[in-house]
Parts: sequence; C-alpha cells; structure tokens
Amino acid sequence: EDQVTQSPEALRLQEGESSSLNCSYTVSGLRGLFWYRQDPGKGPEFLFTLYSAGEEKEKERLKATLTKKESFLHITAPKPEDSATYLCAARNTGGFKTIFGAGTRLFVKA
Amino acid sequence: GAVVSQHPSRVICKSGTSVKIECRSLDFQATTMFWYRQFPKKSLMLMATSNEGSKATYEQGVEKDKFLINHASLTLSTLTVTSAHPEDSSFYICSARDPSTGSDQPQHFGDGTRLSIL
Repeated sequence: EDQVTQSPEALRLQEGESSSLNCSYTVSGLRGLFWYRQDPGKGPEFLFTLYSAGEEKEKERLKATLTKKESFLHITAPKPEDSATYLCAARNTGGFKTIFGAGTRLFVKA
Repeated sequence: GAVVSQHPSRVICKSGTSVKIECRSLDFQATTMFWYRQFPKKSLMLMATSNEGSKATYEQGVEKDKFLINHASLTLSTLTVTSAHPEDSSFYICSARDPSTGSDQPQHFGDGTRLSIL
C-alpha cells in the first residue's frame, strides 16, 4: 500500500538553529515527490517537486533532497517566519492520486 | 502560477443546514479537482475526486449522499454538505492541477473552508 510518513511530528528550533525534516515514502513507482508549507487556517502552499533520486532543489533557507526511499527538507538558519506545518506528498506512476503525510509542525523561536 | 480560489473561508451554521463550498481555478481549466478534509494536526484526507461533466469518485467511507459534488464547468467545483451535523465540523480544502502541464505537476490548493456546525 502506498504510504508517506513524516517525522518528527513537531520540531522546536531556536532562530538560526539548522535542522532537517524527514519524509519516508513507499509508492508503486514515484511520479513526483512534493513539499508544501501550510500556515494555520490556510491551504497548503507549494514549495518543491522532486522527481528522481539525487535531485535537490533550493528556495531561500529551504533545500529539499530525494533518495529512493526518503526526502529531506533542510532548513538553514531558520527564522520565526519559517514556523508552519510542512507537508510531504508522493504521487505514483498512475499519476492520479497524491498521498500526503501528516506533516511536521515547525516552531522557530526568536 | 496556478491559482485556486475557495469560498467561503468560514461558515458557522445550525445543525441540519446544508452548506455549499465553491472551488474555482482562476487561471487554468481544471478537468479534475480534489476535495480534502483535514482534522487538527492530521494529514489531508482525500474525500473525493471531482470530474468535470461526470460523477465524482468518492473515497472509501465517504458518504456520497452526505457530501454532494458538482463539477459543472472547467473552472468550478462545488461541495455541498447536506444536513450538516456537529461531527461534520472540519476544515475542507479543494485543490486542482493544470492538466496541460502534465500529470507530474503539483496540485494547487485553495485556502480552505472552516465549517463549524452548532
């Protein structure tokens, strides 16, 4: 069964304290691995798409990487405004259904 | 980028009321839209896939007669929660992706509707 698991559930960082969020996936052929940011009371906002192992993408303080079983979202020198829930999702080769993880709630304290 | 608009953002109503939520793709035509429900601190739960001009495809355990979906045009899908009860209170989110950009492109989400049934 296709599955996406994120860890940790919650992460508390001091401003400037770099860390990584993990997304483990099991899908029948990966069509795309997606990262989203979700603020409270809002819909998810698209961040990155990764397609193959070894691929990396960066945006400001965020960098997403992909292996054959996992994806990581690295946050370098985070700021309080990076506080949000980060969702990971995987789409299988059928290309139709996207499976979402439960998310990691990130809190960055000034 | 692709933009999805959802309305209303918040609804508070009495038990037994039917509530309609609209989802529009603003700058692309979406033959398929997706409706999700999200519980606090939980993942997005896919409720149904809305197909333009045909019946929606519901996920297992989702009541078709409870959650009516209509996708009458290429830019509008609606979810109607019929005879809503307190247990239907939740955060409902729609999404769509631009089919012209390929099946490996991300979904884009509306800002969600917070439904509270008293």
